[in-house]
Amino acid sequence: NAGVTQTPKFQVLKTGQSMTLQCAQDMNHNSMYWYRQDPGMGLRLIYYSASEGTTDKGEVPNGYNVSRLNKREFSLRLESAAPSQTSVYFCASLRLAGGIDTQYFGPGTRLTVL
Amino acid sequence: DAKTTQPTSMDCAEGRAANLPCNHSTISGNEYVYWYRQIHSQGPQYIIHGLKNNETNEMASLIITEDRKSSTLILPHATLRDTAVYYCIVRFSNAGGTSYGKLTFGQGTILTVHP
Repeated sequence: NAGVTQTPKFQVLKTGQSMTLQCAQDMNHNSMYWYRQDPGMGLRLIYYSASEGTTDKGEVPNGYNVSRLNKREFSLRLESAAPSQTSVYFCASLRLAGGIDTQYFGPGTRLTVL
Repeated sequence: DAKTTQPTSMDCAEGRAANLPCNHSTISGNEYVYWYRQIHSQGPQYIIHGLKNNETNEMASLIITEDRKSSTLILPHATLRDTAVYYCIVRFSNAGGTSYGKLTFGQGTILTVHP
């Protein structure tokens, strides 16, 4: 199993450009998440998808949109990138077993907006 | 979710046990203690969780005090690869509604394992 994969690994954008961050998981998990991590900070939740066909806002959703394309894939879109969106973006999926949920994270996308 | 307090940083010698404390004095009866870690430039990794009893798995042990107001993560034989930020998170498991599965990460403890 590849687990959670993210593309691209690195990206540099100019202010105002748009892009989509891709995430896929092969563990048949229902729920998926997008986080951002700024330097020296903990992770903050941007959006999540509890199940295929549903998405909900997290803590810091402004400036982002998401699409849960199917059970495997959950993408994050920046329509008009701003320097404040320079961050590392992590995707995660959730394993639920015996009433206990644990999250599996991807390797991250390092985004710089100039 | 209950608030947690962890030391900013800790050091440990390779091969020795690393004991990482976490205070969660406002924990409620149904909240679990979870530990994740983040090795530099990687995504966070689940380590262990517990409710009341002490827990052990292949990665670590978790000791929870009887009043559940604090806990300690123990890495029994720390290696250089255990150098990471360790996050203690207290939350309801299988949370539903608007916070479904949500993890709230604080600052964590930077553990540095020295040769």
